[in-house]
Amino acid sequence: QKEVEQNSGPLSVPEGAIASLNCTYSDRGSQSFFWYRQYSGKSPELIMSIYSNGDKEDGRFTAQLNKASQYVSLLIRDSQPSDSATYLCAVPAAGNKLTFGGGTRVLVKP
Amino acid sequence: DAGVTQSPTHLIKTRGQQVTLRCSPISGHKSVSWYQQVLGQGPQFIFQYYEKEERGRGNFPDRFSARQFPNYSSELNVNALLLGDSALYLCASSLSDRGGSPLHFGNGTRLTVT
Repeated sequence: QKEVEQNSGPLSVPEGAIASLNCTYSDRGSQSFFWYRQYSGKSPELIMSIYSNGDKEDGRFTAQLNKASQYVSLLIRDSQPSDSATYLCAVPAAGNKLTFGGGTRVLVKP
Repeated sequence: DAGVTQSPTHLIKTRGQQVTLRCSPISGHKSVSWYQQVLGQGPQFIFQYYEKEERGRGNFPDRFSARQFPNYSSELNVNALLLGDSALYLCASSLSDRGGSPLHFGNGTRLTVT
């Protein structure tokens, strides 16, 4: 079993809709979780970090964490064509080593 | 403030050659990490340095080495290049080496081995 798993997609959503991305992780001791956005040919950009169970909202992005079920999700509200990218879920292991999922590609269609 | 800077942006090398990639962290960040990202996959951890000491090493062969300098900049060296080393090499910096400290990535160095 991979340590961090994501559906590779592509997740196709119409403009203005909600995109819902999921990530599961294997280490029950994980305390912090990160979502990165990566445009094609570019480097990952941190968009959300979440440390506690529940929801964290930042603009059109909402991260949801459920430690008991070992999943973290990302919601993108009012999706825009500029949101088309690959979204990477990352979980720290020992120290600050990040283990990344394979990423979910999101396509927002006008 | 300047973000994480990496050089060069692109590099083409031949099998068997050696390459050195460079990284300058965000001002005030003392931890630098290196990741390799092949097309279609998430980044894979190579090294982490904090206060000039190696704090972690990923599952990469000894051909990969790194160091951190007193000004917290870092170099990644890869010897005896293989075709499979072709990838985007990402440097990231963070304030500390603790798990909750977010990593901020540079623009990467795209290495092509022919």
